[in-house]
Amino acid sequence: DSGVTQTPKHLITATGQRVTLRCSPRSGDLSVYWYQQSLDQGLQFLIQYYNGEERAKGNILERFSAQQFPDLHSELNLSSLELGDSALYFCASSSPLGRGADTQYFGPGTRLTVL
Amino acid sequence: AQSVTQPDIHITVSEGASLELRCNYSYGATPYLFWYVQSPGQGLQLLLKYFSGDTLVQGIKGFEAEFKRSQSSFNLRKPSVHWSDAAEYFCAVGAGRGGADGLTFGKGTHLIIQP
Repeated sequence: DSGVTQTPKHLITATGQRVTLRCSPRSGDLSVYWYQQSLDQGLQFLIQYYNGEERAKGNILERFSAQQFPDLHSELNLSSLELGDSALYFCASSSPLGRGADTQYFGPGTRLTVL
Repeated sequence: AQSVTQPDIHITVSEGASLELRCNYSYGATPYLFWYVQSPGQGLQLLLKYFSGDTLVQGIKGFEAEFKRSQSSFNLRKPSVHWSDAAEYFCAVGAGRGGADGLTFGKGTHLIIQP
């Protein structure tokens, strides 16, 4: 158990809908990362937040957005869903910056199925 | 931009035999390198990481990896595999300070253990 929690575990929805995935980082971690794992694209970095502020952006679609709240939990919002958005979405968290190389600890993931 | 290549999509090894999983990276600066393992239905677990110093890195579960700058490689090894090592293995390179930005992952190597 990494200490990172994600809800829900599974999500089934229809094309055109909007969903919200939730992540709670490990206690004390200020950085939260979101990744998408799909069969064709593999594991891709989407976005990172540090202490409530967006810090780095990867291959995140404009239909997707994220935020990190004052209690440090994060939500990934996916809208106008398409079949191709079906994937496993991981959240990871890491220790505060400034301690050298940070290790990202991954949650169990949310499996999204778009029908 | 950084990239990671894992040349072997599948590897089959007999239980008790030695294992080497290959990883080649492309990164302009000193890389921060990671190996993660993903068991079916699970999140990613960190096996080991390289930031600097000794190029032979020891990890959990008896794994080790060697950083070779001249070959841009970070191969994962284990002297004797167990059936429980069957999983998907991912090599990753970190951007920013020690991977404090998003990680770039390889496509993964699926390890099959033969009895």
